[in-house]
Amino acid sequence: AQSVAQPEDQVNVAEGNPLTVKCTYSVSGNPYLFWYVQYPNRGLQFLLKYITGDNLVKGSYGFEAEFNKSQTSFHLKKPSALVSDSALYFCAVRDKVGSGNTGKLIFGQGTTLQVKP
Amino acid sequence: DSGVTQTPKHLITATGQRVTLRCSPRSGDLSVYWYQQSLDQGLQFLIQYYNGEERAKGNILERFSAQQFPDLHSELNLSSLELGDSALYFCASSGIAGNTGELFFGEGSRLTVL
Repeated sequence: AQSVAQPEDQVNVAEGNPLTVKCTYSVSGNPYLFWYVQYPNRGLQFLLKYITGDNLVKGSYGFEAEFNKSQTSFHLKKPSALVSDSALYFCAVRDKVGSGNTGKLIFGQGTTLQVKP
Repeated sequence: DSGVTQTPKHLITATGQRVTLRCSPRSGDLSVYWYQQSLDQGLQFLIQYYNGEERAKGNILERFSAQQFPDLHSELNLSSLELGDSALYFCASSGIAGNTGELFFGEGSRLTVL
């Protein structure tokens, strides 16, 4: 079964410093990986995805993620954190049934990012 | 704005009652997904519909049911409610079932069961 894991419940970083939110995956075949952000009392907003191609994926709000096949990781990064980046971040993988995709996403438990001024 | 609309935004009800949550997908999207978000369970997939037909089923309780109508909107029915059903329920949509694209989420319906 497809799965993702986010090993950190919370990440704290000072404003202006680089941030990394970790995600590892377990899939059969090639993974389709996603990052979403959730602000308090809001829905999930899509940040970026990896389907194929370049291992470094650029997304919204200055975020990027690096796909590493050998380490089965898809860490979310940003060179300079903002206080407004403070939110709950979810890594997700698209589910598969047999050789096809069902369409649904399987989410990690989420990582709370706290950026302090 | 994702283009996915969910109503109601908030709902407070009592144990044993029944509620209906409604979702209108993005214009043109054929797939609708329902997720439950609770503090202890995280984001759990409940069920997916594609163009009116059930496509995938997750950890959806027998007390819960859903359907997608010809105009593509979807409803999630929750009955015999228990305290543990209190959660945020999200609807998401996408263009084609089984494609590689992202899901677009609504703002959610927060259900409180007292």
